Amino acid sequence: DAKTTQPNSMESNEEEPVHLPCNHSTISGTDYIHWYRQLPSQGPEYVIHGLTSNVNNRMASLAIAEDRKSSTLILHRATLRDAAVYYCILSYSGNTPLVFGKGTRLSVIA
Amino acid sequence: EAGVAQSPRYKIIEKRQSVAFWCNPISGHATLYWYQQILGQGPKLLIQFQNNGVVDDSQLPKDRFSAERLKGVDSTLKIQPAKLEDSAVYLCASSLASWGSTDTQYFGPGTRLTVL
Repeated sequence: DAKTTQPNSMESNEEEPVHLPCNHSTISGTDYIHWYRQLPSQGPEYVIHGLTSNVNNRMASLAIAEDRKSSTLILHRATLRDAAVYYCILSYSGNTPLVFGKGTRLSVIA
Repeated sequence: EAGVAQSPRYKIIEKRQSVAFWCNPISGHATLYWYQQILGQGPKLLIQFQNNGVVDDSQLPKDRFSAERLKGVDSTLKIQPAKLEDSAVYLCASSLASWGSTDTQYFGPGTRLTVL
């Protein structure tokens, strides 16, 4: 499975933007970049995904480097509810298991 | 739309005892996954079902773990006998399972197992 590298932890002030980086230098042309997050005591939840172009949804934005070897999840205004572990995952098909790393633990300070 | 349901939410047993977890996926979702999440780590796949058939159980410790998905809907994961290292959160997830697309996986709240 292709691997991703994320910082262990990051901290943000409430209502400020947060940029969560992910490196995936061995990504293949058919790998989609997925982001999931896991709030305390809950199962992971989908955040966003993309292939080549930047993506926006109501939760976040995904910026993908031109060479696709890195990506950044952008939370435009962090809230206390965004404190979670964020996982960057590569997957070539929708019917394959997700391979989770340790993710980035985001702390949000009021 | 109802989410993925799991029960129980918490279970405490002694080593060498048996335990079973239940999962009800989102209606219409053909693919069901069981993941194990040890404290401080990301979830790890145990088994994947497509309808009622097993797609991948390569990481399931088959000497003690078993899983079934009768009628392609609900699923049960069993551990018999449990070991201390089985203490973890057991997560069930489901997806529509469209090959070649980017199906979202929907996770249940998990069952936290403590083996004493």
